[in-house]
Amino acid sequence: GAVVSQHPSWVICKSGTSVKIECRSLDFQATTMFWYRQFPKQSLMLMATSNEGSKATYEQGVEKDKFLINHASLTLSTLTVTSAHPEDSSFYICSALRDNQETQYFGPGTRLLVL
Amino acid sequence: DAKTTQPPSMDCAEGRAANLPCNHSTISGNEYVYWYRQIHSQGPQYIIHGLKNNETNEMASLIITEDRKSSTLILPHATLRDTAVYYCIVRVRDSSYKLIFGSGTRLLVRP
Repeated sequence: GAVVSQHPSWVICKSGTSVKIECRSLDFQATTMFWYRQFPKQSLMLMATSNEGSKATYEQGVEKDKFLINHASLTLSTLTVTSAHPEDSSFYICSALRDNQETQYFGPGTRLLVL
Repeated sequence: DAKTTQPPSMDCAEGRAANLPCNHSTISGNEYVYWYRQIHSQGPQYIIHGLKNNETNEMASLIITEDRKSSTLILPHATLRDTAVYYCIVRVRDSSYKLIFGSGTRLLVRP
């Protein structure tokens, strides 16, 4: 299989704090991972591409200083939402591109609520 | 990437085939057609993808027209658990591997 996990599955935090979300490929290596955001009743929006050992590539309109991405190993990428505000409340989903394949496999998502 | 057009919603009876259409009239020769689905409050699940030939796996079949301007995802025997939003995505065959999600089709399988 191709299993991707995320941790935590949900988080509630106070405005101004930072939140870290982990994305792991459990049974395969992933040089490339992706981070998406989804607001209620909307589709997924690609935020950034994360490459192991190099800087992430952000989509237009996504603040790289607010959404810090680190891809330190072939199985782990992290997204840190810095100084979170209520408008950052959303469903954050990662995916991992299986090396030597062309298919992204998605994690179960992390629901963030900023109070 | 080429734009896709899907009906916003469809329904089918449990046990019957679900045929989900997708229009991608501006697709180019180096673009794949991918299908994913998202069950409520979960991450998307990969279903199938193809370039120009029809494809079949344990989940579904993908039928791509000869001119590649449209495709149909077929779930041969829909179950209640197939109720989800289905996304048809055209992806350029390049090193970015990016997927750009549209609004998809909300499929409701009726008992």
